Amino acid sequence: QSVLTQPPSVSGAPGQRVTISCTGSSSNIGAGYDVHWYLQLPGTAPKLLIFANSVRPSGVPDRFSGSKSGTSASLAITGLQAEDEADYYCQSYDSSLSVVFGPGTKVTVL
Amino acid sequence: QVQLQQWGAGLLKPSETLSLTCAVHGGSFSGYYWSWIRQSPGKGLEGIGEINHSGGTNYNPSLKSRVTISVDTSKNQFSLKLSSVTAADTAVYYCARLVYMVRGVIVDNWFDTWGQGTLVTVSS
Repeated sequence: QSVLTQPPSVSGAPGQRVTISCTGSSSNIGAGYDVHWYLQLPGTAPKLLIFANSVRPSGVPDRFSGSKSGTSASLAITGLQAEDEADYYCQSYDSSLSVVFGPGTKVTVL
Repeated sequence: QVQLQQWGAGLLKPSETLSLTCAVHGGSFSGYYWSWIRQSPGKGLEGIGEINHSGGTNYNPSLKSRVTISVDTSKNQFSLKLSSVTAADTAVYYCARLVYMVRGVIVDNWFDTWGQGTLVTVSS
């Protein structure tokens, strides 16, 4: 079981907006640790998508945005595109376990 | 632009020691932590541990008794050894650069660059 919780899957039509939640606890997200997001295409390594809750690395489209509140965080994808179909993981730090990841959410473009 | 290239044995027998190495090409070797992460169907992504250029390490408590991460600054490489492997250690292993930031009592870290991954299978 992952320390962070994510929905197994979300889906949307091209052009729509989808959101992925990442829920933690008072020992990780709720303790003030930042949340980071990764995208993983099949057969490839994860790629950093968002760091420090809402900062996009250079080259990441502004269709991707992140936010954090309390013990949860969210990743939003607006203007969904076929190339966005992938697995998305959240990651934070836990005061007892070091880095922790969510189980991943599969985004399907209908 | 930093790139990570990793290699190591992909097939092990139970009780053997997993050994992987990651080379860092480009960018600064100091100023970051260098990490190992694994991904298995059953447990998802799991941090194994990390090391800095001075040899300071942090290990996942659940693996600490079996893990050794070392660094060779002359070659800009770092390595992972995981002893007494079992089938439960079958996974894709990634090396990654860990950005490590301290905000007062808060430690934030994220992986901004990843290696290509190595599938390690443990089977008799």
